[in-house]
Amino acid sequence: GAVVSQHPSRVICKSGTSVKIECRSLDFQATTMFWYRQFPKQSLMLMATSNEGSKATYEQGVEKDKFLINHASLTLSTLTVTSAHPEDSSFYICSARDPSRGVQETPQYFGPGTRLLVL
Amino acid sequence: EDQVTQSPEALRLQEGESSSLNCSYTVSGLRGLFWYRQDPGKGPEFLFTLYSAGEEKEKERLKATLTKKESFLHITAPKPEDSATYLCAVQRGGSQGNLIFGKGTKLSVKP
Repeated sequence: GAVVSQHPSRVICKSGTSVKIECRSLDFQATTMFWYRQFPKQSLMLMATSNEGSKATYEQGVEKDKFLINHASLTLSTLTVTSAHPEDSSFYICSARDPSRGVQETPQYFGPGTRLLVL
Repeated sequence: EDQVTQSPEALRLQEGESSSLNCSYTVSGLRGLFWYRQDPGKGPEFLFTLYSAGEEKEKERLKATLTKKESFLHITAPKPEDSATYLCAVQRGGSQGNLIFGKGTKLSVKP
C-alpha cells in the first residue's frame, strides 16, 4: 500500500504556542490530503480537506483561523495549530489518496498520527 | 443524515473462536465502504474496500461482505495478533473523498 508519514509523532507544548505538523506522501503524489482528529475512545473526525495549490475546505465547527492548513506541493501538507490550548490536546492524523490507482474510489492511506499535549 | 454505526463496541474472543463485526450505514449514494484496523497510538491501516452489494473480499483470516444497508467483517479462527480496533467508514457520492467513520469495534483475542 501507499505510505504516508507524519512528523512529529508526539509534541508537548505550552498553552498559547503554535505547533506545526507535517504530513507527507512518500511514494505517490497526492492532490488531496485529509486531516482528522481523534479523542480517546472516539472515532476519527474529519477536520478539513487539503487541496494542493488551493485553500483547504473545513468541516463545520472547525476554526480555520486556528487550524491553518497548507498544501504547497503534491507530497506535503501541513497543519498548524495556532495559540494552542489544553482542549486542543488530541491525536491528529492525516491521510492521502493515490489517484493513480484506478478509476474506482481509492482508499485513504493514513499516517501514523501525531499526539499533541498542550500544558 | 449520513451515519455509520458499528457493533458491538467491544468483543472478546478466545483464540480460534470465529465471530463477526457489524457496520450499519445510511449514506446518500454510497461510493465505497472501507474497513480499517487501528492499533493503539497508531494511524488506521487499510484492509478492504467494498463498492456494491454482494461484493466480498478476503485477506488471511478476515472476510468482508456488503449489503445495501450493512457490512460484516468475519474473523475466522482469530489469533492474539488480530487484537485491534476495527473501523468502518463510508464515502458518499459528490464528496471529495471524505470518509464518515463509525466508532469502531475493539477486538481482544485471548490465547
